[in-house]
Amino acid sequence: DIQMTQSPFSLSAFVGDRVTITCRPSRTISSYVNWYQQKPGKAPKLLIYGASSLQSGVPSRFSGSGSGTDFTLTISSLQPEDFATYYCQQSHGAPLTFGQGTKVEIK
Amino acid sequence: QLQLKESGPGLLKPSETLSLTCSVSGGSITSSSSYWDWIRQSPGKGLEWIGSIYYTGKTYYNSSLKSRVTISIDTSKNHFSLNVNSVTAADTALYFCTRRARGNSDSFDIWGQGTMVTVSS
Repeated sequence: DIQMTQSPFSLSAFVGDRVTITCRPSRTISSYVNWYQQKPGKAPKLLIYGASSLQSGVPSRFSGSGSGTDFTLTISSLQPEDFATYYCQQSHGAPLTFGQGTKVEIK
Repeated sequence: QLQLKESGPGLLKPSETLSLTCSVSGGSITSSSSYWDWIRQSPGKGLEWIGSIYYTGKTYYNSSLKSRVTISIDTSKNHFSLNVNSVTAADTALYFCTRRARGNSDSFDIWGQGTMVTVSS
């Protein structure tokens, strides 16, 4: 199985800050990484697919980059509604696997 | 607009069978661009992919659960289902049904609201 390791586990930030979350798969997976946002009591929401493509309707302050074994989700200017948990997920091969999540909290 | 909704019992006893159904509305379950997946979330294990089914009936399972899991599809009712037999407390989780979009990096782009399943004697 491909293990997805996210860092940091959690972070605190101010509104307006630039935030970066990293995801590293246990082996190379080309660009088959997707990113999700989950708020308490809700289903995850797709933000980025294929490492860098913005899902329709998602604000442009969200961006993704990377390939191979190093991927990044960036929020360029953190907004109050962005405080949530973020997950990466690989779709390179079965079983499809997720990172453990990064909780973004208000500072 | 495609929507998914899970239904099924929320409380089970150990050794019973978990049965959930996902009703698909606003689109056809026979779409060639979609897989239909089940994912669960528990505090101890985070998000775990259970398996998926294509409209042809082809299934894919997570090997960690494969011996206990069956996913089926009913195209006439536009729904798909999950069965997990011999449940234990470890199967207590929030269960989501999802649409996985072929071509868009096989991403989970549509999710149901989730249904909580608790296994307790």
